[in-house]
Amino acid sequence: QLQLQESGPGLVKPSETLSLSCTVSGGSISGSSYYWGWIRQPPGKGLEWIGSIYYTGSAYNSPSLKSRVTISVDTSKNHFSLRLSSVTAADTAVYYCVIDFNLYWFDPWGQGTLVTVSP
Amino acid sequence: QSALTQPASVSGSPGQSITISCTGTSSDVGSYNLVSWYQQHPGKAPKLMIYEGIYRPSGVSNRFSGSKSGNTASLTISGLQAEDEADYYCCSYAGSSTKVFGTGTKVTVL
Repeated sequence: QLQLQESGPGLVKPSETLSLSCTVSGGSISGSSYYWGWIRQPPGKGLEWIGSIYYTGSAYNSPSLKSRVTISVDTSKNHFSLRLSSVTAADTAVYYCVIDFNLYWFDPWGQGTLVTVSP
Repeated sequence: QSALTQPASVSGSPGQSITISCTGTSSDVGSYNLVSWYQQHPGKAPKLMIYEGIYRPSGVSNRFSGSKSGNTASLTISGLQAEDEADYYCCSYAGSSTKVFGTGTKVTVL
């Protein structure tokens, strides 16, 4: 069964770039016909889809974040990554990596990692 | 894209049935049978409960069911149990390979 684990800095300064990775275990990114996605949840608030990518590099991002988001995939390391530029305090959230099944629903989810934007 | 609208809270007694609504537009919920529902307990990652509007993943109790009418999708929990107390989120495909989540509903078991 595929499992996902997020990793990256827990603290990012305003105006800098947030960078997270998601390591996939239990299977190969390139051997799976799934999309791989990112979702975030600000403390005490709801969920927001950020974007998703196929192992070929074909990516789809949320229109509201599109200009700041880059999602990439590294099949040799069996992981995919998120970069969010020009962060502000509003980007403080728990970030989850997920399998985006057929681009229609999300399962499973990683455990999530809290990223705080603060000087 | 605007978030789908859910009631902030719904409550019920053990054994009762409750329904959580998820209202969108003709551009998302109304256009596709692609609503999914997620259960989230405090401090935990969300868990898929319903996909494509009506289907339950393996391992999800048949007390959870989904439906849709027009621009509104619904999640019904029958035989409410203490373990069902959690936050619930709907999510709909919104075209052009994008998705939009609902505002979330806190379910309380009285």
